[in-house]
Amino acid sequence: GAGVSQSPSNKVTEKGKDVELRCDPISGHTALYWYRQRLGQGLEFLIYFQGNSAPDKSGLPSDRFSAERTGESVSTLTIQRTQQEDSAVYLCASTVDLTYEQYFGPGTRLTVT
Amino acid sequence: DQQVKQNSPSLSVQEGRISILNCDYTNSMFDYFLWYKKYPAEGPTFLISISSIKDKNEDGRFTVFLNKSAKHLSLHIVPSQPGDSAVYFCAASKYGGSQGNLIFGKGTKLSVKP
Repeated sequence: GAGVSQSPSNKVTEKGKDVELRCDPISGHTALYWYRQRLGQGLEFLIYFQGNSAPDKSGLPSDRFSAERTGESVSTLTIQRTQQEDSAVYLCASTVDLTYEQYFGPGTRLTVT
Repeated sequence: DQQVKQNSPSLSVQEGRISILNCDYTNSMFDYFLWYKKYPAEGPTFLISISSIKDKNEDGRFTVFLNKSAKHLSLHIVPSQPGDSAVYFCAASKYGGSQGNLIFGKGTKLSVKP
């Protein structure tokens, strides 16, 4: 079935470079979430979109992180001037209105060398 | 400061026996709790949830218990099967039925031995 997809699945980048991570939510899902999971940690909330607006950006760790969403579809998470501490699995989830059952993509494993 | 805590990083159980995974939370504003299961190289998948107005929710082999006074919930899997081996995340939210981000624990890795 057409679940949440993310690309790339793996990304290795040098410290200081910019990266873009992409998320394609399930068609018809209006809400989209970005989380990250560092090694040995739980999932950490980054940002949430309702449609193409972001009511909650409270989890973005620094101004090097930004995200945008086109309508109720694709979202991109951009990390500028990557640092080694940005290394993590970045997970995207989507959901229809008024439900907590967030459907997750497989994640993008980012390694900053 | 962690608002959702899973104090056991791992749990090993024999096939056919009960698995009990525990979760504690600190924020009394949380009103909805979920369990997710995660296999390696896959995203988490929703397992079961419970609203704070209930103290138990059952779905097949999976039951979640909520003790609000103790700020504690647990997931029971009976009987445990080798396919249940995965990392289980407890998550909580405080948005009373509207959308919002989830606060996750660090996870407990369950191993079910044949």
